[in-house]
Amino acid sequence: DIQMTQSPSSLSASVGDRVTITCRASQGISNYLAWFQQKPGKAPKSLIYAASSLQSGVPSKFSGSGSGTDFTLTISSLQPEDFATYYCQQYNTYPFTFGPGTKVDIK
Amino acid sequence: QVQLVQSGAEVKKPGASVKVSCKASGYTFTSYDINWVRQATGQGLEWMGWMNPNSDNTGYAQKFQGRVTMTRNTSISTAYMELSSLRSEDTAVYYCARGEDFLDWGQGTLVTVSS
Repeated sequence: DIQMTQSPSSLSASVGDRVTITCRASQGISNYLAWFQQKPGKAPKSLIYAASSLQSGVPSKFSGSGSGTDFTLTISSLQPEDFATYYCQQYNTYPFTFGPGTKVDIK
Repeated sequence: QVQLVQSGAEVKKPGASVKVSCKASGYTFTSYDINWVRQATGQGLEWMGWMNPNSDNTGYAQKFQGRVTMTRNTSISTAYMELSSLRSEDTAVYYCARGEDFLDWGQGTLVTVSS
């Protein structure tokens, strides 16, 4: 199975900060990488697919990059509604696998 | 708009089975795979398997092989996930999600396994 790791596991940031989360796959997955945002008690929400494509309706402050094994999610200017847990996921190879998550909270 | 509406919370005893439904609307049900994901309290997301509603083909994570069955009823645009031989470790929220990039998600179904 492809293992997904994320760093950091958690971070504290202030409103307006630029935040970057890193995701690494244990083997190459081309660009079959998605990012999700999850708030407590809610279902995950799709932010990015194909490593860098923004889902419809997702604000442009979110961006993704990378290919192969190394990927990043960037939030350009953190807002109160962005405090959540973020997961990466590979869908290149079954079984699909998720990263352990990065919790973003308020400094 | 696309919606995936899941069945309500369940409480089951160890050894029992549970069947969770996921009713799709707002798109052509047979055009997108349905994936199932679960999340134990305070834990991360765990992919369980997929089903193609058009072909009825399925694929399951090895961890659940032999215990999970994913089916569908195309006449009512509904997917099902049945998990058998339940144990306490299966207590979790179960989600369905549309497409290989998990574009849309159901609201989740809490399954509690307790004697």
